[in-house]
Amino acid sequence: QVQLQESGPGLVKPSETLSVTCAVSGYFIDHTYYWGWIRQPPGKGLEYIGNIYHTGSTSYNASLKSRVTISVDPPKNQFSLSLSSVTAADTAVYYCARLIPGPYYFDSWGQGILVTVSS
Amino acid sequence: EIVLTQSPGTLSLSPGDRATLSCRASQSVGSSHLAWYQQKPGQAPRLLIFGTSSRATGIPDRFSGSGSGTDFTLTITRLEPEDFAVYYCQQYGGIPLFTFGPGTKVDIK
Repeated sequence: QVQLQESGPGLVKPSETLSVTCAVSGYFIDHTYYWGWIRQPPGKGLEYIGNIYHTGSTSYNASLKSRVTISVDPPKNQFSLSLSSVTAADTAVYYCARLIPGPYYFDSWGQGILVTVSS
Repeated sequence: EIVLTQSPGTLSLSPGDRATLSCRASQSVGSSHLAWYQQKPGQAPRLLIFGTSSRATGIPDRFSGSGSGTDFTLTITRLEPEDFAVYYCQQYGGIPLFTFGPGTKVDIK
């Protein structure tokens, strides 16, 4: 059974870069599926950030594309999110998830990590 | 951009009631590309339905999905206490690649 666990700083200063890593267990990241990031501001809905395949091929939400980088590290079985030039609007719970291609849905999610942008 | 609208925003029901949740898309969505998630406070979303009507592993059969084109429905036939939560629909294929609806909260009447 696949499990995902986010980690990273819970507090980031405005204009700096937010970095979160997702460790995957119970499944090799370099197998069939894709891996994605979704965020949820406090009390609000879900926003897709982007996804990556183990080859490094990425797809990003156009609204965030200029600030987002998603990378993958197959030997460590993890993938990461970087979001640059953050503002208070980027304060959210950041979730990593496994993305099933074809029908394209997120079948397994991490517990999420709250990242607050504040000085 | 494909925008998903969910209605009602809040559904107040009692255990044992039937819940009917609507998800409407601004453009046609492929039936294989519509999913539903359940989220409880402080928890990550959980996949309920994919491909419009296929239940995810371990999801009880009181949950069912239907629809096509721009109109999709999640039905919970008999609400159990653990079903009171927020439900999101999600589509793939538009711009942006994935979008989620704003959610429907099912709370206890």
